Amino acid sequence: KAGVTQTPRYLIKTRGQQVTLSCSPISGHRSVSWYQQTPGQGLQFLFEYFSETQRNKGNFPGRFSGRQFSNSRSEMNVSTLELGDSALYLCASSLDRATLYTFGSGTRLTVV
Amino acid sequence: QKEVEQNSGPLSVPEGAIASLNCTYSDRGSQSFFWYRQYSGKSPELIMSIYSNGDKEDGRFTAQLNKASQYVSLLIRDSQPSDSATYLCAGGPSLRAGGTSYGKLTFGQGTILTVHP
Repeated sequence: KAGVTQTPRYLIKTRGQQVTLSCSPISGHRSVSWYQQTPGQGLQFLFEYFSETQRNKGNFPGRFSGRQFSNSRSEMNVSTLELGDSALYLCASSLDRATLYTFGSGTRLTVV
Repeated sequence: QKEVEQNSGPLSVPEGAIASLNCTYSDRGSQSFFWYRQYSGKSPELIMSIYSNGDKEDGRFTAQLNKASQYVSLLIRDSQPSDSATYLCAGGPSLRAGGTSYGKLTFGQGTILTVHP
């Protein structure tokens, strides 16, 4: 059974650019959540999607957005990148909004 | 005040000893609690979940929850060098449908555990 797949694994972007990260959940999982992990702030909740709708959002600026498709795959987008956006972005999926997550391997974003 | 706080560590224990990891939370609305293990350069991996007061055992791991004291702990018995990792405590909402904070976990900063041979 395939796990949660995140692409790309590594990304280097320049300040001011935008980036799109992709997450394919475990087959049959309908809930996808996104987290940002940094050494200073730890793991912080970005947003959660279920049935193509954003159900919950963390305390991040509007530059961070996401969406979920009918096949439950999700993307998150960060516009106007800042140096502080450098982080590991983790996607997690669960069957039905219960928070028994399985995390993907993450996308390591570096903003230079 | 952080919503979920873990004993700062790092924690170093000899092989075969009991490692004790602690976590307190401030949101009394938190009803579900989780311990994740994260190896360096890897993503978090769920090792225990606990929803009711008391102890829950799974192999060498025991999670303890005391909602009155807002305290969660993880004991690792017979610690092995392979247990060396960062352990993350997380609190979540009630698993009843309809909770507004559903789908969101609040994580502590993590405790680095080193088990030395």
